[in-house]
Amino acid sequence: QSALTQPASVSGSPGQSITISCTGTSSDLGGYNYVSWYQQLPGKAPKLMIYDGTNRPSGVSNRFSGSKSANTASLTISGLQAEDEADYYCSSYPSSSTHVVFGGGTKLTVL
Amino acid sequence: EVQLVESGGVVVQPGGSLRLSCAASGFTFDDHIMFWVRQAPGKGLEWVSLISWDGDTTYYADSVKGRFTISRDNSKNSLYLQMNSLRIEDTALYYCAKLATAVQSDYWGQGTLVTVSS
Repeated sequence: QSALTQPASVSGSPGQSITISCTGTSSDLGGYNYVSWYQQLPGKAPKLMIYDGTNRPSGVSNRFSGSKSANTASLTISGLQAEDEADYYCSSYPSSSTHVVFGGGTKLTVL
Repeated sequence: EVQLVESGGVVVQPGGSLRLSCAASGFTFDDHIMFWVRQAPGKGLEWVSLISWDGDTTYYADSVKGRFTISRDNSKNSLYLQMNSLRIEDTALYYCAKLATAVQSDYWGQGTLVTVSS
């Protein structure tokens, strides 16, 4: 049950695009895993931003997009806004539902 | 409106026990696998345990295996976490959650704080 690997921090200026990577083994991020991305604001519960690798929940800005390959998932935020400043976590759990693994989290700073 | 409301978090001494509860409403509770996720102060998210819709199947993180027990009562729309032999490193905000799969339904409570300290 090793954690997925994320960069500790990323930063960007308003209007720019950034990408946060999430790496693991193919068994963690491969086709039979549900990969999600969460945004967590200080003092708040995590909020779902991307599910099943690439899908955006209703109500989430289309500036957020996700992609996935065998052992890497990515979250891209385009047109950065100050309100995007938060911690972001990837997560994965297999369709067999035996465990969940989270990334260590990435702190996004909007300069 | 979907709600998950955790309760039971307190300050407890190392070696002590505690039972967390989570009351669910606004969705069909007994249709879903449910989860406990924790977050130590200033740290990241850590999965703790999950339980099948019928309660028959449970899984635990290695860090809590043998000490924590997850259970549910579908007649009460409630999820529980019995925590025994608590350690200082179990100090965290404990979230009850239903996590997204191939569908977007993803629900989290506000968390309940467990502090293990002498």
